[in-house]
Amino acid sequence: KQEVTQIPAALSVPEGENLVLNCSFTDSAIYNLQWFRQDPGKGLTSLLLIQSSQREQTSGRLNASLDKSSGRSTLYIAASQPGDSATYLCAVLIGSGNTGKLIFGQGTTLQVKP
Amino acid sequence: EADIYQTPRYLVIGTGKKITLECSQTMGHDKMYWYQQDPGMELHLIHYSYGVNSTEKGDLSSESTVSRIRTEHFPLTLESARPSHTSQYLCASSATNSYNEQFFGPGTRLTVL
Repeated sequence: KQEVTQIPAALSVPEGENLVLNCSFTDSAIYNLQWFRQDPGKGLTSLLLIQSSQREQTSGRLNASLDKSSGRSTLYIAASQPGDSATYLCAVLIGSGNTGKLIFGQGTTLQVKP
Repeated sequence: EADIYQTPRYLVIGTGKKITLECSQTMGHDKMYWYQQDPGMELHLIHYSYGVNSTEKGDLSSESTVSRIRTEHFPLTLESARPSHTSQYLCASSATNSYNEQFFGPGTRLTVL
């Protein structure tokens, strides 16, 4: 059974710091991996999607890497800002592109202090 | 603007009531999903649909039911709400030709007294 773990569960950093969020999964047979952002009481916003054949994806100050063989992904946030404060979730797609399901981690709650 | 909508955003009801949570998307996606999320916990898939007249149960057992009569609409119904149904319900959609990237609505926070 696929399990997704995110470490740390919570993180507090001063503004301007670069940081790394970690995600690990137990079964390397994934179709893709998606990073989301969730603000309190809100839905999820898709940040980055990495296909299983890719090593990384970048969007602005965000960079996500994927090492499928070791079951790990990282989300790198450069020059953090107070507006980055949110919960960050990673999810792996198992099955296939047409009939796959997302399995989520519990998330890392990030606080960026001004 | 292409988007995914959920109504109501917040709902407080008494035990035994029948409720329907609405989800609509204007993104032209064929696949739609319902997730349940308790505070501080991960999302769990409770229902999904790959197209009109297609519905399947997810990994987490749920007493709710869904229907997919139109591509853009995927309502979730609880026939008799109980306090154990108190949770946040998130609807999502994806297109087959986009690596199954899922896009989420704002969620419905349900409280059953």
